[in-house]
Amino acid sequence: LAKTTQPISMDSYEGQEVNITCSHNNIATNDYITWYQQFPSQGPRFIIQGYKTKVTNEVASLFIPADRKSSTLSLPRVSLSDTAVYYCLVHYGNKLVFGAGTILRVKS
Amino acid sequence: DTGVSQDPRHKITKRGQNVTFRCDPISEHNRLYWYRQTLGQGPEFLTYFQNEAQLEKSRLLSDRFSAERPKGSFSTLEIQRTEQGDSAMYLCASSGGGEDEQYFGPGTRLTVT
Repeated sequence: LAKTTQPISMDSYEGQEVNITCSHNNIATNDYITWYQQFPSQGPRFIIQGYKTKVTNEVASLFIPADRKSSTLSLPRVSLSDTAVYYCLVHYGNKLVFGAGTILRVKS
Repeated sequence: DTGVSQDPRHKITKRGQNVTFRCDPISEHNRLYWYRQTLGQGPEFLTYFQNEAQLEKSRLLSDRFSAERPKGSFSTLEIQRTEQGDSAMYLCASSGGGEDEQYFGPGTRLTVT
């Protein structure tokens, strides 16, 4: 059964690095992992996508270990505006499974 | 291009009525996805289209749900004989294909009374 699991919530302070991990035990060799950010009353917004090892863009990094059973979204130096819900999405073949989301609260 | 748009943004209907939602994807995108999201949960995949072909349907998409994408452009999602359990946010997304990132619309919030 395809399942994607992530922590319910995390708290952080401005300027800190935040790491959010997603577990996806049944991921197949060719399945991608994608992370989205969602603010209230808006659709999710793409953050980063990866397949293996490490991917970095201007806003985040994504770390995927060799066994690919988990992945970690890393947000460097968060600000108050990063307070949102973060979702991992795993493409299990043609089936797309979102995690339940991690509520990130950034405090000043 | 202004991104993915959805209409209406909000819909209140009585149990047993039919409702139809529309999604206009980013014009050059050939993949279009429908999701349902309830409060405190992640989006649940319903179905997706590659151009006008519906390639995958979730078990969540009961016989009361139907989606179309005529001509491979906009898409409609119809729910017949609505039930209170259908109350949710219905999200549409589009992508250029394959594993490309999805661009989401603002969603249609359905309330069934």
